[in-house]
Amino acid sequence: AQTVTQSQPEMSVQEAETVTLSCTYDTSENNYYLFWYKQPPSRQMILVIRQEAYKQQNATENRFSVNFQKAAKSFSLKISDSQLGDTAMYFCAFMKRMNRDDKIIFGKGTRLHILP
Amino acid sequence: GAGVSQSPSNKVTEKGKDVELRCDPISGHTALYWYRQSLGQGLEFLIYFQGNSAPDKSGLPSDRFSAERTGGSVSTLTIQRTQQEDSAVYLCASSRWGADTQYFGPGTRLTVL
Repeated sequence: AQTVTQSQPEMSVQEAETVTLSCTYDTSENNYYLFWYKQPPSRQMILVIRQEAYKQQNATENRFSVNFQKAAKSFSLKISDSQLGDTAMYFCAFMKRMNRDDKIIFGKGTRLHILP
Repeated sequence: GAGVSQSPSNKVTEKGKDVELRCDPISGHTALYWYRQSLGQGLEFLIYFQGNSAPDKSGLPSDRFSAERTGGSVSTLTIQRTQQEDSAVYLCASSRWGADTQYFGPGTRLTVL
């Protein structure tokens, strides 16, 4: 069974700093998707970034980028020039790609505080 | 609609009463999920609908919980004889198909007194 581990329950950084959230996963699959979702205090879950395992290039979305290490089964999220609005719970998630009926597996989340 | 909608946004009920939570997925999305999120915690999978297949109910915590999806679109999560431990935010998500990006609704905060 697939598992997703986020080892940092909570983090705090100063505004404008760069922060990296870690995520590791366990799978025997070769084709899969990885996601980072953000859940601000408003509780609306928002997709931040998505990575397809067959792509070697790390996905980026503006200030958000990932460091995808397939062999190490690591999928960290880097937030550059952090802003107060980045304060949220961040969830890493895994999904197999082969079967359209498969479920997404979420980690337990990292609560990120951006300090003014 | 443009996104996943859920109603009500907040629900307060008394212990022992039944509640119904509604989810309207994005039009055309065949997959629909229900999750539960207790205060400050991660997501707990409840149930998954995919097209015309039998739903995956493996996450439902007890037989007091049930869900249906009518016409492959709107879904209703029903909790019978609510208990205080049922208090949580209930999130719904939909995706084009199972192995695809999920889009979440704003959730329903359920408080059982």
